[in-house]
Amino acid sequence: AQSVAQPEDQVNVAEGNPLTVKCTYSVSGNPYLFWYVQYPNRGLQFLLKYITGDNLVKGSYGFEAEFNKSQTSFHLKKPSALVSDSALYFCAVRPRSNDYKLSFGAGTTVTVRA
Amino acid sequence: AAGVIQSPRHLIKEKRETATLKCYPIPRHDTVYWYQQGPGQDPQFLISFYEKMQSDKGSIPDRFSAQQFSDYHSELNMSSLELGDSALYFCASSLGTDLPTNYGYTFGSGTRLTVV
Repeated sequence: AQSVAQPEDQVNVAEGNPLTVKCTYSVSGNPYLFWYVQYPNRGLQFLLKYITGDNLVKGSYGFEAEFNKSQTSFHLKKPSALVSDSALYFCAVRPRSNDYKLSFGAGTTVTVRA
Repeated sequence: AAGVIQSPRHLIKEKRETATLKCYPIPRHDTVYWYQQGPGQDPQFLISFYEKMQSDKGSIPDRFSAQQFSDYHSELNMSSLELGDSALYFCASSLGTDLPTNYGYTFGSGTRLTVV
């Protein structure tokens, strides 16, 4: 069963508008949660992670994500999107156990139009 | 800062051939993970090594094998290649397997394998 769900295949926003990429998880307990970004023909770049503490996590390039335990969500947000934010975004989860591998969501393609 | 280095960047092989992908982790990282990302797919975990021993195994075909060497670099050996093996293969490294202490583990740029 998929541990991570990204319900939107694509998100389209205008430059300067807020950007939200949704992610929900189904791992029991409080997992470790991550966001990665992938540009065309490039590797996966780490954006941010939630381990513990403050539910609002700030990451690279002005992105942030909010961990919501009751909704089992970890949505990625950016207040003002840039054209250069256009990329493929992956949410990933790792259980709080000795299982160290990441399970990825299916990915969401973000397109920011000028 | 040094990153995870993967070689080659691109590889074209014919069916039934053999391929070897290499991964050089960030200096002092002792754990290596291999992932496979098919076209339009999310990355899938293949196998990992910690201190030169296999630490976990995912959906890795029996035709594939991997190992981690004394210098902590890792090689993924793929034999009897099939068209369906065409994918982007990522390597990631971390210090130990205690992931929370790391800055999310770091991925290499990947090796794009095309089987024709």
